[in-house]
Formats: sequence, C-alpha cells, structure tokens
Amino acid sequence: AQSVTQLGSHVSVSEGALVLLRCNYSSSVPPYLFWYVQYPNQGLQLLLKYTTGATLVKGINGFEAEFKKSETSFHLTKPSAHMSDAAEYFCAVTVTGGGNKLTFGTGTQLKVEL
Amino acid sequence: EPEVTQTPSHQVTQMGQEVILRCVPISNHLYFYWYRQILGQKVEFLVSFYNNEISEKSEIFDDQFSVERPDGSNFTLKIRSTKLEDSAMYFCASSIGLAGSTDTQYFGPGTRLTVL
Repeated sequence: AQSVTQLGSHVSVSEGALVLLRCNYSSSVPPYLFWYVQYPNQGLQLLLKYTTGATLVKGINGFEAEFKKSETSFHLTKPSAHMSDAAEYFCAVTVTGGGNKLTFGTGTQLKVEL
Repeated sequence: EPEVTQTPSHQVTQMGQEVILRCVPISNHLYFYWYRQILGQKVEFLVSFYNNEISEKSEIFDDQFSVERPDGSNFTLKIRSTKLEDSAMYFCASSIGLAGSTDTQYFGPGTRLTVL
C-alpha cells in the first residue's frame, strides 16, 4: 500500500520568502503524486500533479514541485510567498489499478506573515 | 468553470439516524468518489464509483455505508445508522475517467456532518 508523509504540520514564512513544503511518499509501484490546497471552508483544489515525464512540474499560483525518485520526495516550492497563499496543503499519492484512490498526507498549514 | 456541488453544507443528526449526503459531480465526469476528514485528521478515501458500481472501497466503508447514482446528475452517500465517530467533513469528488489514476479529481466544498 502507498503512503505519504508530510514533515511539518505548521510552516510559517514571511511574505516574499521562499515556501518549501515537504512530502515523502512510499509506494512499491510507480506513483502518481498530487498537491492540493484547501482554503478555509472550501474544498480541495488541485495545485499540480506528477504522472510521468518531466520531473519538475509547474502548477497554479506560482507553485512547482519536483519528483525525486531516489529520495522518494515530491516537495512543493514557491519562490516568493504571498499573503493569499495562507492555507492548508495536502500531498497525495495514487497508483494504477487502485480505483483511483488518493492517499493523503496529514497536511501542512502554511502561515504567511508580513 | 464547472464545479462539484454538495448539499447540505452542514447536517446535524442524532446517533442512530440515517443520513443522505448529496453531490452533483461535474456533468461529463464518469468517476465519482467520497472522502471524509475527521476534525484535525487527514483526508481519508471512502469509496470510488464507476459505471454504476463500486470500483474500490476502504475498510471504513462498511455495511453502514452505501452509495448510489439515482439519476443522471446526483451521487449520494447514505449512512444507515450514524455513530458519533461518523462526525466529519465529507467530500465528494469526480474525475473525467479517461486516464484512470492520473485524472485530476475535482472536489466539492464538503458537507459537515455532526452526530449528537
């Protein structure tokens, strides 16, 4: 079975600073990896996903993530944080043949300070 | 932009009562899902549904739970006899169903279920 670990349940950055949210996965078969964002009182919105091909994927709102198989990681980054980035971020994994089941990490709450 | 909608946004029920949570997936999507998030915990997969049958279900999805596509637009989750531990935010999602696991799942805003 696949799993995801997100290090740091809370991350705080200054506006304009680099955002780095960590995600490590475990899977015995090639994974498909996703980052979702959840704003207060809203559903989950896809930021980006890795399926195959280029390991550096770009998403919405200036976010990107790099799939590193050797490190089993899929960390999310953004060069310059904005106040509107404050939200909860979830990393998720799925594999072929599992009914498209997404397995989520525990989430990282991002706080952006002035 | 098309979106997944869910009703009601908040449901309060007494323990032992039946509840039905409703979802309208994106119209041309073929795969439907239910997930739940207990307060302070991770989002958990419950069930996926394709071609009018369950594709995959988790160990959480026991005999107390059922799903149905009663017509061409709605997708429902029924909990027959609610327990206190069923209190959670329930998310419906849908995906287009063309590329399987790599398809993006689009989530609704959720229904907060409170069991008293």
